[in-house]
Amino acid sequence: GAGVSQSPRYKVAKRGQDVALRCDPISGHVSLFWYQQALGQGPEFLTYFQNEAQLDKSGLPSDRFFAERPEGSVSTLKIQRTQQEDSAVYLCASSSGRTGRRGDSPLHFGNGTRLTVT
Amino acid sequence: SQQGEEDPQALSIQEGENATMNCSYKTSINNLQWYRQNSGRGLVHLILIRSNEREKHSGRLRVTLDTSKKSSSLLITASRAADTASYFCATDTYYNQGGKLIFGQGTELSVKP
Repeated sequence: GAGVSQSPRYKVAKRGQDVALRCDPISGHVSLFWYQQALGQGPEFLTYFQNEAQLDKSGLPSDRFFAERPEGSVSTLKIQRTQQEDSAVYLCASSSGRTGRRGDSPLHFGNGTRLTVT
Repeated sequence: SQQGEEDPQALSIQEGENATMNCSYKTSINNLQWYRQNSGRGLVHLILIRSNEREKHSGRLRVTLDTSKKSSSLLITASRAADTASYFCATDTYYNQGGKLIFGQGTELSVKP
């Protein structure tokens, strides 16, 4: 596709429910990132994939958060037993760069999924 | 945790004026990038400046980098109402092996017609 696509655009979950957020990166992009953005704040790093390998998950706030990219393309961010503090916009970004050279490749962001936990 | 701090948090100017936003960071970097975010949308890459560069231009954008002060500034000249958005600096740090970018808190720019 022309850009990074995320679905759903909006998600309302009751506390305790599990949610799955999908990201379709730009075709051929090796690197994929997930960020969490609270209202009025900058994006906070969650996790990073190079192809299907999850190379950095240091930003995941708890073991309730799980991300996968099994075929090196589409990625899913899953949040189990959602809590109110999980309410945020979840942004996915992709990049054509590889580790060590990615620094010169900009990130291309999707429009995000706004998650509201009630 | 966030690497960068941006200043000011909010800026309101008239169309045609210049807008300057500042970013400070804490650790050594490979490069620093600026992104723009319109309300309810994702971030859009504007410009990248490498650690060995001091100034870069792109259209109406001018970015400076002072690694000794660990700071950068973004200047938007002859602003337009369409420039209204939030602007974020992001750093690719020297010790970062994964290529992730660390974002600042952002500056909310309002350009009044």
